Amino acid sequence: EDKVVQSPLSLVVHEGDTVTLNCSYEVTNFRSLLWYKQEKKAPTFLFMLTSSGIEKKSGRLSSILDKKELSSILNITATQTGDSAIYLCAVEGGSEKLVFGKGTKLTVNP
Amino acid sequence: GAVVSQHPSWVICKSGTSVKIECRSLDFQATTMFWYRQFPKQSLMLMATSNEGSKATYEQGVEKDKFLINHASLTLSTLTVTSAHPEDSSFYICSAITKQPEAFFGQGTRLTVV
Repeated sequence: EDKVVQSPLSLVVHEGDTVTLNCSYEVTNFRSLLWYKQEKKAPTFLFMLTSSGIEKKSGRLSSILDKKELSSILNITATQTGDSAIYLCAVEGGSEKLVFGKGTKLTVNP
Repeated sequence: GAVVSQHPSWVICKSGTSVKIECRSLDFQATTMFWYRQFPKQSLMLMATSNEGSKATYEQGVEKDKFLINHASLTLSTLTVTSAHPEDSSFYICSAITKQPEAFFGQGTRLTVV
């Protein structure tokens, strides 16, 4: 059975800190890994990763995939209170379905 | 944790027919549910926001008459693809928001129109 595990489940930091969120997976015939940010409404897309070792960046956020370790990390530098959200990781495997992790709840305090 | 059940998981239908997909929150009440569509090698695209007891809010470019959404109760939202065509073949997924708020996703529905 395909599985996605995110860690930590919850994280509290101060503004300006750098955080690293983890996502590990077990899927058959991996196709892609996606990161989403979920606040009060629908999750918003952050990154799609298909190739190992290639970092994707968007402002203070970056992500990289390690297919050998079956994992991905999402980094957020110089965190701001607006980064407070639940970050979701999803993996598409051979079943052509998206499997979501439970998310990491990030709280950034002023 | 909260569970969202989506049914069916797979459906194959003939062109011109309609298909209904159900999204249920099993152990919580969801006043808001979201419907997504995934295209190959692309991320999820939000189609519409389904609000219990009121009309759904559709994203730009989504035909509301083609993708009918009904959120008749606090635990059930349905998406009906009307007069389906092969280009509607896709992976459809729903999510429901709890009060915290947290989002929980259904297992998704693979629709193939032949």
